[in-house]
Amino acid sequence: EAGVTQFPSHSVIEKGQTVTLRCDPISGHDNLYWYRRVMGKEIKFLLHFVKESKQDESGMPNNRFLAERTGGTYSTLKVQPAELEDSGVYFCASSHGGGYTFGSGTRLTVV
Amino acid sequence: KNEVEQSPQNLTAQEGEFITINCSYSVGISALHWLQQHPGGGIVSLFMLSSGKKKHGRLIATINIQEKHSSLHITASHPRDSAVYICAVGIDMRFGAGTRLTVKP
Repeated sequence: EAGVTQFPSHSVIEKGQTVTLRCDPISGHDNLYWYRRVMGKEIKFLLHFVKESKQDESGMPNNRFLAERTGGTYSTLKVQPAELEDSGVYFCASSHGGGYTFGSGTRLTVV
Repeated sequence: KNEVEQSPQNLTAQEGEFITINCSYSVGISALHWLQQHPGGGIVSLFMLSSGKKKHGRLIATINIQEKHSSLHITASHPRDSAVYICAVGIDMRFGAGTRLTVKP
């Protein structure tokens, strides 16, 4: 069984640019979560999809962040325009029936 | 105050020692997770538990719902156990700050 895959593994962009992160969950996992860890702080929840619907997006920091999961398969997280404080590691996880599987994360650096 | 508090923040042990990492939380939860993050950054789910105790190899996780407290124990610790151990609560996971464990040979 393939794990949760995230692309890219690293991204360095300039302030003001747009970046799109992608997460491919385990096939058949209805639940998909986005999290991020900014430097020196704990991992924070961003949002939760159940299939293609946003179940909980209370953790999204502001309207520069847009998450989608068209068709209930892979998900994208777009940051537009990126700011310096958006730098961190963005994790995706999927679950079905309880157990969670995490992706390796995308390290985003905004310069 | 964070909803999830872990202690200690940092822990150094000698190989073979018994390790305990604690997690206290302030919100009502349906499940608690223990995660492991290695220096490379990847996160591995170790346990998800809602009551009692679970064991996997040298790892044991316990939870007391009434006291809102969980512990992760590592028996016969080994240098390869060195990692950050993170407690997270709830379906959408509210995370603790993590405990950085270093096991010295």
